[in-house]
Amino acid sequence: RKEVEQDPGPFNVPEGATVAFNCTYSNSASQSFFWYRQDCRKEPKLLMSVYSSGNEDGRFTAQLNRASQYISLLIRDSKLSDSATYLCVVRNNFNKFYFGSGTKLNVKP
Amino acid sequence: EAGVVQSPRYKIIEKKQPVAFWCNPISGHNTLYWYLQNLGQGPELLIRYENEEAVDDSQLPKDRFSAERLKGVDSTLKIQPAELGDSAVYLCASSPSDRGQETQYFGPGTRLLVL
Repeated sequence: RKEVEQDPGPFNVPEGATVAFNCTYSNSASQSFFWYRQDCRKEPKLLMSVYSSGNEDGRFTAQLNRASQYISLLIRDSKLSDSATYLCVVRNNFNKFYFGSGTKLNVKP
Repeated sequence: EAGVVQSPRYKIIEKKQPVAFWCNPISGHNTLYWYLQNLGQGPELLIRYENEEAVDDSQLPKDRFSAERLKGVDSTLKIQPAELGDSAVYLCASSPSDRGQETQYFGPGTRLLVL
């Protein structure tokens, strides 16, 4: 079983739509959680960390559910520029980072 | 502030040849990571350094891969001999500490094609 699992998508949504991705992790002792964004043929870049209480950054909201071992990312009012692959990242209790395979988002005009 | 620098950006070699990748992390970042990313997959850790010490190399195929970070700054990853299945993007990342809470900053990667 993979440490981190994501739906690969693609999610095809129109501009202005709200879209949500989930990610599940297998190690209940995982310590930290992140969402990274990766554009085609570019390096991953941190989008946001995910805190236990949930956190919001503009149009982006991240939630953590430790009981069910999943994290989510909600994007409101999608922009064309949001088109990318979104990587779920989990740090375990041995300071090791695991990346999901990514969820591809296509925002259409 | 300069980001993580990697070279070369692209490399094409024939199988069984050696290849080396170089990474210069962001100044002051103690932790350095080498990842391998295959198409359609997320990055997979090869090795993690804390200063000059390799603190996690459990995923490094040591029969053909080696890495060093002699002075705790820049790092080199080597493959000898390369195999067809080594074709991938090799990403270097750095972070300010090994606390694990810090953001990882990635370099642009080296795209390797083994023929």
